Amino acid sequence: QSVLTQPPSASGTPGQRVTISCSGSNSNIGSNAVNWYQHLPGTAPKLLIYSNNQRPSGVPDRFSGSKSGTSASLAISGLQSEDEADYYCAAWDDGLNGSLFGGGTKLTVL
Amino acid sequence: QVQLVQSGAEVKKPGSSVKVSCKASGVSFSNSAVSWVRQAPGQGLEWMGGIIPTFGKRNYAQKFQGRVTMTADISTSVGYMELSGLRSEDTAVYYCARVVGDILDLGIGMDVWGQGTPVTVSS
Repeated sequence: QSVLTQPPSASGTPGQRVTISCSGSNSNIGSNAVNWYQHLPGTAPKLLIYSNNQRPSGVPDRFSGSKSGTSASLAISGLQSEDEADYYCAAWDDGLNGSLFGGGTKLTVL
Repeated sequence: QVQLVQSGAEVKKPGSSVKVSCKASGVSFSNSAVSWVRQAPGQGLEWMGGIIPTFGKRNYAQKFQGRVTMTADISTSVGYMELSGLRSEDTAVYYCARVVGDILDLGIGMDVWGQGTPVTVSS
């Protein structure tokens, strides 16, 4: 069971907006940056959001991140079929003195 | 263009060690923070630890303390991750990844990833 809690699955139809949540605690999300990754089977993970809400160059603005207290969210607007993937949140944990990944959320585009 | 190129697939016996390399091009390790992440079959991503070579700083996940060693050669921009005492549960794809920009903080997102190195532990 991960310290960072994500729903195991999410779904949406093309064009829809979906959000994926990530719940943590004061020692991780509450006091450190949250990062989000997209992972397709057989490929390396791709950084979507870093430092809570920053998009690396090349990531479409359909992807956005937010944080409030000990929770964070990834929003995907204008859902596309190619968005079907696993999504992971990650954050440093001061108590563990290490980084953590959430358990991952499998996004299905219906 | 920044790239990380990892060494090839490995097959190891239980109890042995594996050493995976990660060579950077287009960037120097002197201004990089690099983490190692693995994914076992059917499992999620797992952070193993990271290194900031210019500070000589290493952080290892508690789960791997005592079994993992991460090193880096700044002059050649090659990083290494060695995992000892291998068991079947260590069968996974191992990735190296660099923190975005020149941010020397292992808690910030990683935007450049190696291609992954499959490691199989089997008798």
